[in-house]
Amino acid sequence: DAMVIQNPRYQVTQFGKPVTLSCSQTLNHNVMYWYQQKSSQAPKLLFHYYDKDFNNEADTPDNFQSRRPNTSFCFLDIRSPGLGDAAMYLCATSSTGISPNIQYFGAGTRLSVL
Amino acid sequence: DQQVKQNSPSLSVQEGRISILNCDYTNSMFDYFLWYKKYPAEGPTFLISISSIKDKNEDGRFTVFLNKSAKHLSLHIVPSQPGDSAVYFCAASGGIFDDYKLSFGAGTTVTVRA
Repeated sequence: DAMVIQNPRYQVTQFGKPVTLSCSQTLNHNVMYWYQQKSSQAPKLLFHYYDKDFNNEADTPDNFQSRRPNTSFCFLDIRSPGLGDAAMYLCATSSTGISPNIQYFGAGTRLSVL
Repeated sequence: DQQVKQNSPSLSVQEGRISILNCDYTNSMFDYFLWYKKYPAEGPTFLISISSIKDKNEDGRFTVFLNKSAKHLSLHIVPSQPGDSAVYFCAASGGIFDDYKLSFGAGTTVTVRA
């Protein structure tokens, strides 16, 4: 089945130690998104790739970076995780040119910062 | 600023009865509204959508009602089943720029009692 896969499902890191979360898709969608979701809050868009073009949200901290080496893969890098970065990170994909633009989500990576 | 709000964090309903989930929005430029369903340890999955030019969309047990003048939409689930127990997110897209991006509410946790 075509899907969005996030690895790892759980990630524990130390305060200040860089961490990378990964996302892969078999849907061949041109847009990939990264969301941060904290408990009982709405998913918050961090940034997205429209094809190869990176689009950062205005309030996304510089501590968060992303890479998309090809259509199928996208990475979220947190350069120096703080305690406030502990959250669920969701990757999603969509294909533009279709209305409504339905996003397909992975199961998420839960990040803990010690 | 939160453009999509779900003011009821939880809802408990008896099996067989109707579940009504509410969502309010502030941006009159939104042109599509979507509902997502999320089970524990899974990513959100698309459930149903409605275009801003319609006031009702029905898909089996799920119906979305849109009241543009009130900037309010609701999701009705009839009859509610135990498998409907999940978190439901309201989302909206549209506007002049980036019409493929979604703004999410914080979600409503539905518990269907046997």
